[in-house]
Amino acid sequence: SQTIHQWPATLVQPVGSPLSLECTVEGTSNPNLYWYRQAAGRGLQLLFYSVGIGQISSEVPQNLSASRPQDRQFILSSKKLLLSDSGFYLCAWNGAPEAFFGQGTRLTVV
Amino acid sequence: GEDVEQSLFLSVREGDSSVINCTYTDSSSTYLYWYKQEPGAGLQLLTYIFSNMDMKQDQRLTVLLNKKDKHLSLRIADTQTGDSAIYFCAESITARQLTFGSGTQLTVLP
Repeated sequence: SQTIHQWPATLVQPVGSPLSLECTVEGTSNPNLYWYRQAAGRGLQLLFYSVGIGQISSEVPQNLSASRPQDRQFILSSKKLLLSDSGFYLCAWNGAPEAFFGQGTRLTVV
Repeated sequence: GEDVEQSLFLSVREGDSSVINCTYTDSSSTYLYWYKQEPGAGLQLLTYIFSNMDMKQDQRLTVLLNKKDKHLSLRIADTQTGDSAIYFCAESITARQLTFGSGTQLTVLP
């Protein structure tokens, strides 16, 4: 069966520091992968999606970037975090029609 | 553009039925989903329905779709305290990108 791993679960980072969140998927090949952010208002905002290695689509201009170095690995990064980057970040795998989510990373920028 | 709307809060008594409502604007929506999010966790897919269906039942969950009015509902029978969570409605045309509502916080009172 397919599983999705996301880490770390929580992270507290100072303003201006770099960020790297990792997501990996097991049990499938060539998955469509997504990064969402859930801010305090609870809605989910799609940040990036990837249909294959090296293929990244950005939905919203951000202080963030994403990379897909391997088929089942999706990384969310930032060179310099802003206070506004705080939130709950979710990685998802789309099995069409179902989408499955990781457990999320709570990022607090201080 | 695509838009999915839900009421923010719902409170019910334990043992009663809960009905969570959702409206969407894109008439091309093919798949409609309900996700559950418990505190500090990722989203868990509860069920989804194809747009050519009116109803789908799965144990205590009943999904009703009124395609003409673009209205989706989730009914939880015999609501339990463990059902307290945020429930997200989502829609998709291709099943590869989902648009989420802001979520409904369901509180089950003893």
